[in-house]
Amino acid sequence: KAGVTQTPRYLIKTRGQQVTLSCSPISGHRSVSWYQQTPGQGLQFLFEYFSETQRNKGNFPGRFSGRQFSNSRSEMNVSTLELGDSALYLCASRLAGGPNTEAFFGQGTRLTVV
Amino acid sequence: GESVGLHLPTLSVQEGDNSIINCAYSNSASDYFIWYKQESGKGPQFIIDIRSNMDKRQGQRVTVLLNKTVKHLSLQIAATQPGDSAVYFCAENANAGGTSYGKLTFGQGTILTVHP
Repeated sequence: KAGVTQTPRYLIKTRGQQVTLSCSPISGHRSVSWYQQTPGQGLQFLFEYFSETQRNKGNFPGRFSGRQFSNSRSEMNVSTLELGDSALYLCASRLAGGPNTEAFFGQGTRLTVV
Repeated sequence: GESVGLHLPTLSVQEGDNSIINCAYSNSASDYFIWYKQESGKGPQFIIDIRSNMDKRQGQRVTVLLNKTVKHLSLQIAATQPGDSAVYFCAENANAGGTSYGKLTFGQGTILTVHP
């Protein structure tokens, strides 16, 4: 069974640009969460989508947004990129929307803003 | 204030030793806990989880202990191998009225180095 797939793996963007990252969850998984990982702040929760609805949002500015499609694939978008947005962006999928279910992570997208 | 970067705790052991990695959590409402292993260039990999109604759970070569009184979690790895070298994260989930299932709060991580 294929794992969580994130594309692209690496990305270099210029300040002020916008970027879209993609996540395909494990087949049958309906919940997708996004995290940002940096050396300074560690792993921080961005948002969670379940059944195409954003169910939870972390403490990030409105420049960070996302969506989920009917096939559970998710995208996140960052507009007006800043140098501090350079990070590893991780996506995690869960089978169900309920509690106590394992979250499986993809390999991440390494975003570098120059 | 500005963050100056996380200084991760480190644990260095010899191959074959048992390793214990500790984690303190802050949210007394957290009811589900997970340990992840992250190798360089990869995403976090699920190791073991535990619910708040348990205080111990065992897997293959790993044991997680939960002490809710002092809000402490530990991961024990038996007969540690060089392939266990990685950064280990604890994560907690607080089910706030049924809307926070997908939100994990991660600890800062511990670097485990296993010497052959």
